[in-house]
Amino acid sequence: GQQVMQIPQYQHVQEGEDFTTYCNSSTTLSNIQWYKQRPGGHPVFLIQLVKSGEVKKQKRLTFQFGEAKKNSSLHITATQTTDVGTYFCAGPRGNSGGSNYKLTFGKGTLLTVNP
Amino acid sequence: NAGVMQNPRHLVRRRGQEARLRCSPMKGHSHVYWYRQLPEEGLKFMVYLQKENIIDESGMPKERFSAEFPKEGPSILRIQQVVRGDSAAYFCASSPQLTGLQETQYFGPGTRLLVL
Repeated sequence: GQQVMQIPQYQHVQEGEDFTTYCNSSTTLSNIQWYKQRPGGHPVFLIQLVKSGEVKKQKRLTFQFGEAKKNSSLHITATQTTDVGTYFCAGPRGNSGGSNYKLTFGKGTLLTVNP
Repeated sequence: NAGVMQNPRHLVRRRGQEARLRCSPMKGHSHVYWYRQLPEEGLKFMVYLQKENIIDESGMPKERFSAEFPKEGPSILRIQQVVRGDSAAYFCASSPQLTGLQETQYFGPGTRLLVL
């Protein structure tokens, strides 16, 4: 079945350093979504990427969707303590409209920031 | 506009008891999804419901688990005869309606179930 892998599993940085997490799918995705979950919290939607090669920015966060639509990355510039949390990528299972609602989540990357 | 609401936030059950988890979607949302999250794991899809209909329950164990989304009231995930392996965080998400592309799913705060 479809698998979504994320690396690294954990990342510890000093405040001000950059951070990148990578997401790879075993199948081509119609779109990919990124979520952030604070410790003890719930997933919060960050962004959705749809087009091949798409790049989107949200302040210090940059999201990329690969040309083959099988991989994606999230890059945070100059991390802050408020960036702490687990970042998940998720893609819909299957390419047909009927199964787009099933999100397959990666295991996430836990980011900790040392002030 | 209230977000997705779930209750209880924490639930402790002994083995063999029943657990009932409730989810009220965001106002105007007619699609509900349930996910389970084990410690240090991603979320696993369980079931997708619309009002009075189970659309896809392929991620839900066939025994002991059931879900409903009645015409009136919240969606309910029910776990009968709980076992320790059911201990997890259960998240509900909702979306307005499906279009050709994946609708954004908005997550509730989750119910943390602990089975003793």
